[in-house]
This record gives sequence, structure tokens and C-alpha cells, in this order.
Amino acid sequence: GAGVSQSPSNKVTEKGKDVELRCDPISGHTALYWYRQSLGQGLEFLIYFQGNSAPDKSGLPSDRFSAERTGGSVSTLTIQRTQQEDSAVYLCASSSMSSGANVLTFGAGSRLTVL
Amino acid sequence: EDQVTQSPEALRLQEGESSSLNCSYTVSGLRGLFWYRQDPGKGPEFLFTLYSAGEEKEKERLKATLTKKESFLHITAPKPEDSATYLCAPFPAGGFKTIFGAGTRLFVKA
Repeated sequence: GAGVSQSPSNKVTEKGKDVELRCDPISGHTALYWYRQSLGQGLEFLIYFQGNSAPDKSGLPSDRFSAERTGGSVSTLTIQRTQQEDSAVYLCASSSMSSGANVLTFGAGSRLTVL
Repeated sequence: EDQVTQSPEALRLQEGESSSLNCSYTVSGLRGLFWYRQDPGKGPEFLFTLYSAGEEKEKERLKATLTKKESFLHITAPKPEDSATYLCAPFPAGGFKTIFGAGTRLFVKA
């Protein structure tokens, strides 16, 4: 596609429910990232994929968070048993690494609100 | 531990009033640094990549510079449409974990 697409753009859920956030990267981009941005804060790295594998999961906050990528394309970030502190904007980015610099192209984000 | 600090947290300027934003960092095996712009409700948008001390990049009213431990984003004669959050992001050699600073929120008043 022309850009990185994320869905849903907004999600309101109740504490304890599971949520899935989807990212559709730019076609041909091999690397895919998830970041979390809390209100007024910087971007917190969650996980990185190269193809379908995730060499770096170091940023996942707890075992309630998981992510997968299939077909080297679409990725899903799943948060189980959501807590209020999970409320944030979840940003997905992709890159091609073709230029040697890992320039990330971001989607507009999925805003998650946990009541 | 890798760290990135941006200052000031917020900056209010009058239209035409030039200023600079600072990004200082401690990153192991630094390869280069990105600057991004983020508008409310949107994802960050790429502005510049800098690789070596002394390097400068320009785009319209923005100029980014790099030293060994800091980067500056100079804004010359800003306009209200320059209002946004500006993020710096150092990245390591051979790695993929780009670290973002908390950003500087810039407000330019007409």
C-alpha cells in the first residue's frame, strides 16, 4: 500500500478484556516495529520483526503482550487481560533497509483506552 | 544503558522568532540519528538522517546539525504551521532498535 495502515484507529475496552491491534506495512518492507506512546511521553519500543521472526522482543512490558507477523506482511499486537496502564497510542512502523539507514515510516496509530 | 534527552520539553515562539532544539544522547555503537516531526493524532514523519559530526541537513526553515554527543534542530523564522512535536532518534550500527527521545513540543504563534 501507499503507507502503513493501522486498525482500529480507536479502541475502547473494559479492564480484563483482550484486544488485537493490526498493522499493514508498506508493501516490500521487510522490517516492522511496534512502539507505544503514552500521553505526553516519547515512543517506547515494544518489538521488532525482520520478516516473520522477532529477533528483539525486549520491549514487551509483560507476558500479557504478544505479537506475530505472517507472510512477511501484516502484524497483530495482542494484549490480554488489559489493564488501565495499557491505555496509550500503539504505533506501527515499517522500513526497507534499502538505503542502509533504517528510516521508519509510521502509521497513524491505534489509540487504546482501557476503562 | 542507552539514553536520549531532548530539551526544552516545550517551546513557545512568536512567528519569525528563530530558536534551536537540543537532543543529547548516550548510545552504544551509534551509527546515526534521525529527526522526526509528529503532529497531533498522527504518527511521526521523517525529516532528516545525520551520520557524522559536523554534518548538516536543511529543509525549508529547518536545519539539523550533529556533534559527537548532541544534535540540534535550528528553526529559522518559524511559521504557525511549524507547530508540532519534534523527536530525535539515535540508531546503532548494524542494529534495528531506534531509540526515541520524549520530544520537544513547539508552538508558534502568529
